[in-house]
Amino acid sequence: EAGVVQSPRYKIIEKKQPVAFWCNPISGHNTLYWYRQNLGQGPELLIRYENEEAVDDSQLPKDRFSAERLKGVDSTLKIQPAELGDSAVYLCASSHGYRGPDTEAFFGQGTRLTVV
Amino acid sequence: GNSVTQMEGPVTLSEEAFLTINCTYTATGYPSLFWYVQYPGEGLQLLLKATKADDKGSNKGFEATYRKETTSFHLEKGSVQVSDSAVYFCALEYSSASKIIFGSGTRLSIRP
Repeated sequence: EAGVVQSPRYKIIEKKQPVAFWCNPISGHNTLYWYRQNLGQGPELLIRYENEEAVDDSQLPKDRFSAERLKGVDSTLKIQPAELGDSAVYLCASSHGYRGPDTEAFFGQGTRLTVV
Repeated sequence: GNSVTQMEGPVTLSEEAFLTINCTYTATGYPSLFWYVQYPGEGLQLLLKATKADDKGSNKGFEATYRKETTSFHLEKGSVQVSDSAVYFCALEYSSASKIIFGSGTRLSIRP
């Protein structure tokens, strides 16, 4: 079974340009997460979806970041305009909606964004 | 607020050495605790977990025990291998919140 797929793997853009990241979760997983991982730090949650509904976007900088999950499957995270401080690895993860003790979140390989 | 503090790296050991990576947490209530691993060029993978006090999680020779009295979840392995070289993240989660809070990660390098 395929894992969480993200693209692109790497992206270099100039500041003030827009950028978008794409995530395809594991089939059947209705919970999807976007995390940001700054260099030398652990991932931090940006937004969590249950199906197509964003149920926790409290950490998403809404002035420049947006996300969507049409039809409750694939998701796109966008930054417009990008700033130098947005350079980081953006991780997507998915899990079954019921987070009991025997479930876990599966992570993609991430998109490494460099803003110059 | 809820947070996780783990041992700063990098940690460098010789093959077959004993490993401990310390992790402590601050949380209200009773979160689940995790160790994730990130091998070079790969995504985060769950290594082990414990969901209640005194539980021991184990996988691939690694172990960690949920210690409520010391709010700790230290990762241990009796004999490390070169293939264990990776970045290790301690994390906690309240299942109701479905939000994983990660520590800053510890880079482990094992010399042959």
